[in-house]
Amino acid sequence: QKEVEQNSGPLSVPEGAIASLNCTYSDRGSQSFFWYRQYSGKSPELIMFIYSNGDKEDGRFTAQLNKASQYVSLLIRDSQPSDSATYLCAVKTSGSRLTFGEGTQLTVNP
Amino acid sequence: EAGVAQSPRYKIIEKRQSVAFWCNPISGHATLYWYQQILGQGPKLLIQFQNNGVVDDSQLPKDRFSAERLKGVDSTLKIQPAKLEDSAVYLCASSPGALMNTEAFFGQGTRLTVV
Repeated sequence: QKEVEQNSGPLSVPEGAIASLNCTYSDRGSQSFFWYRQYSGKSPELIMFIYSNGDKEDGRFTAQLNKASQYVSLLIRDSQPSDSATYLCAVKTSGSRLTFGEGTQLTVNP
Repeated sequence: EAGVAQSPRYKIIEKRQSVAFWCNPISGHATLYWYQQILGQGPKLLIQFQNNGVVDDSQLPKDRFSAERLKGVDSTLKIQPAKLEDSAVYLCASSPGALMNTEAFFGQGTRLTVV
């Protein structure tokens, strides 16, 4: 079992729609969860992090965490073509080890 | 605030040659990570330093890869000898410390091609 798994892509949504990205993790001791965005040929950049159960909103982005189900998700509302990128879920476990999933490629069609 | 600096940006070498990458983290960041990202995959952690000590190197192929972080600041990652499958982007990231809710900031990466 992989430490961090993301829903397989690619994911394609029309402009203005909601994009939903999902991630599960195996280590119940994980405490912090991060969503990074990576444009083609660029380095990952942080979108947001969450460490408490529930929802956390930042503009058009909402992260959701359910530690009991070991599940974290990212919702992108009013998707824009500029949101087209690969989204990486990362989990920080004991000792601040930061493990990434394989990423989900999102395409927002105008 | 200056970001994470990496050099070189690109490197092409022949298999069995050696190569070294350099990383200068954000000033004051105690935690430094080296990741390998193969095209189409997520970043894979190679090694993690806390100051100048190794915290995790469980996925570092120690027969050919080595890394050091002298004085707890700059770090170098070396591959000797390189194999074709080492072709990837090598990302360095730094984080303020061991707190669980601190993010990692990435450098621009070094794209290695082994021919």
